[in-house]
Amino acid sequence: GAGVSQTPSNKVTEKGKYVELRCDPISGHTALYWYRQSLGQGPEFLIYFQGTGAADDSGLPNDRFFAVRPEGSVSTLKIQRTERGDSAVYLCASSARGGGADTQYFGPGTRLTVL
Amino acid sequence: AQSVTQLGSHVSVSEGALVLLRCNYSSSVPPYLFWYVQYPNQGLQLLLKYTSAATLVKGINGFEAEFKKSETSFHLTKPSAHMSDAAEYFCAVTYTGANSKLTFGKGITLSVRP
Repeated sequence: GAGVSQTPSNKVTEKGKYVELRCDPISGHTALYWYRQSLGQGPEFLIYFQGTGAADDSGLPNDRFFAVRPEGSVSTLKIQRTERGDSAVYLCASSARGGGADTQYFGPGTRLTVL
Repeated sequence: AQSVTQLGSHVSVSEGALVLLRCNYSSSVPPYLFWYVQYPNQGLQLLLKYTSAATLVKGINGFEAEFKKSETSFHLTKPSAHMSDAAEYFCAVTYTGANSKLTFGKGITLSVRP
């Protein structure tokens, strides 16, 4: 079956602009995660959705970052007033239930470059 | 708080040689541990995971890892490296009650020499 997909694969924007990154999880997966991977680092957790609600947004770096999942499937990560430090690969993952050792399946990521 | 340490950023082995990638974790509660592989321009792919069942875990592509509580380690091994194993490898930890959010190490780049 189809895996996790993310669009766009690459996004170049200018400092101060607004961007939206989209994630389509595996069909039927209730849990959805966003991570950010900077160059030379491992992915860092941003936010976790269980269904439509954000169960844990402790990883969002500041209030410029926001994410939604209105129908419990597709999710959009929104970044306002982008800064050069936001440049990274944004990864989305989904899992069947979200508990304990549930396997997270990752998408290919969106590479965001802020000029 | 949980954390993962992957010593060294780059490991180089000859084709056919043993692969050993080290991972040490820190967790105040019983952990769940994962190894993911990332090929260039691709997403993370699960190699194997430890979920408190057998301490020796076998994964895909001939990889395995052993959970050693006394050493707080979860090292990844493969008896014989193949050229196609060249990639970046990440160790990650979570635990019950952490909302399954993964804490990753910095990753190790594996190179395989012909």
